[in-house]
Amino acid sequence: NAGVMQNPRHLVRRRGQEARLRCSPMKGHSHVYWYRQLPEEGLKFMVYLQKENIIDESGMPKERFSAEFPKEGPSILRIQQVVRGDSAAYFCASNTAGTGDTIYFGEGSWLTVV
Amino acid sequence: AQSVSQHNHHVILSEAASLELGCNYSYGGTVNLFWYVQYPGQHLQLLLKYFSGDPLVKGIKGFEAEFIKSKFSFNLRKPSVQWSDTAEYFCAVNEGTGSYQLTFGKGTKLSVIP
Repeated sequence: NAGVMQNPRHLVRRRGQEARLRCSPMKGHSHVYWYRQLPEEGLKFMVYLQKENIIDESGMPKERFSAEFPKEGPSILRIQQVVRGDSAAYFCASNTAGTGDTIYFGEGSWLTVV
Repeated sequence: AQSVSQHNHHVILSEAASLELGCNYSYGGTVNLFWYVQYPGQHLQLLLKYFSGDPLVKGIKGFEAEFIKSKFSFNLRKPSVQWSDTAEYFCAVNEGTGSYQLTFGKGTKLSVIP
């Protein structure tokens, strides 16, 4: 039963390096969401994508962060020139129909910036 | 902007005790309401959801929640907790008409002592 798959589960990067987090949605799902959980905070929406389209990136920091969901392959959340404040858990979620449909989450990717 | 408040950061109970976790939200319009659970090292799982209809919602594993519109609340309850309920519980809300963004509370850690 392949749910939402994220990798890596844990990633350590030095300041200034790039972090790439991957997400394969549940089979049959074409809508992908990325959320970030900072320490002691709830999950915060970052971006909503469909295949080859960014639908809503209102929660993405303006610089250094980007996301894509190509026609083939997983969705990628890319963080360039990481800083200590980027250390967080990044959760991917997916569903079939966008609004009104239950969203299923992956296990998260924990980024630590040293 | 919406906000979600979970009143307790950490709750400690003995097995067989009753549980109630508070959740209040700020949005005044139509809402969809969710409770998610995250067991240690695992992904968020949907416990239950409310879209419309009977305000008393039953979920998996014996959990239920009651939507009280006048109080903007959606408290989670379980009559008798088990050690295996030890986890973090998140309340989440989205606007009921065409919204896909979930707004999460900060979570409540539940520790059940055998």
